[in-house]
Amino acid sequence: AQSVTQLDSQVPVFEEAPVELRCNYSSSVSVYLFWYVQYPNQGLQLLLKYLSGSTLVESINGFEAEFNKSQTSFHLRKPSVHISDTAEYFCAISQGASGTYKYIFGTGTRLKVLA
Amino acid sequence: SAVISQKPSRDICQRGTSLTIQCQVDSQVTMMFWYRQQPGQSLTLIATANQGSEATYESGFVIDKFPISRPNLTFSTLTVSNMSPEDSSIYLCSVVRGREQYFGPGTRLTVT
Repeated sequence: AQSVTQLDSQVPVFEEAPVELRCNYSSSVSVYLFWYVQYPNQGLQLLLKYLSGSTLVESINGFEAEFNKSQTSFHLRKPSVHISDTAEYFCAISQGASGTYKYIFGTGTRLKVLA
Repeated sequence: SAVISQKPSRDICQRGTSLTIQCQVDSQVTMMFWYRQQPGQSLTLIATANQGSEATYESGFVIDKFPISRPNLTFSTLTVSNMSPEDSSIYLCSVVRGREQYFGPGTRLTVT
């Protein structure tokens, strides 16, 4: 069975400080990995994804995540956060190329950026 | 990408009643998904809806409680039947394009 673990339910951080949101997964088959962001009272938006190729992927708003197969992790990082980054962040996996399209979501990490 | 709309955006309903949520996609897709996001929690997949076939429900969800229709490749409905306060959640539909899922804005349901 597949699972996604986000160990940190809440992460407070001061503005302009770096942040890392952790995501670990478990799967017996190859997976695709995703980070979604949910701003207050809004739907989910895809932040970034790893399907294949370079293990370091970046978003347009300065976030990056690195796929580490040996550690089964896909941690999300940003070197300097803004107040506007305050949101809930969800890590998700789906089975690889030969699998289904079903997503498994982590429990989410609430990032709160403090002034 | 995909543009997805949902109706209603929110509703307050009395226990014992039913609510039908509509999901419209801007172009044809094979698979649509319905999720539930309970307060402060992550997303839980309710069912997968393919056009022309019965929806496939996940463990813990049954058709009598959450009947789904998929009349064409751009539209689906989810009905929450015989509601109780425990059904208060955000309900989201999503579609797959490539290997990515795109989500609608959600329907915020409160059952009193």
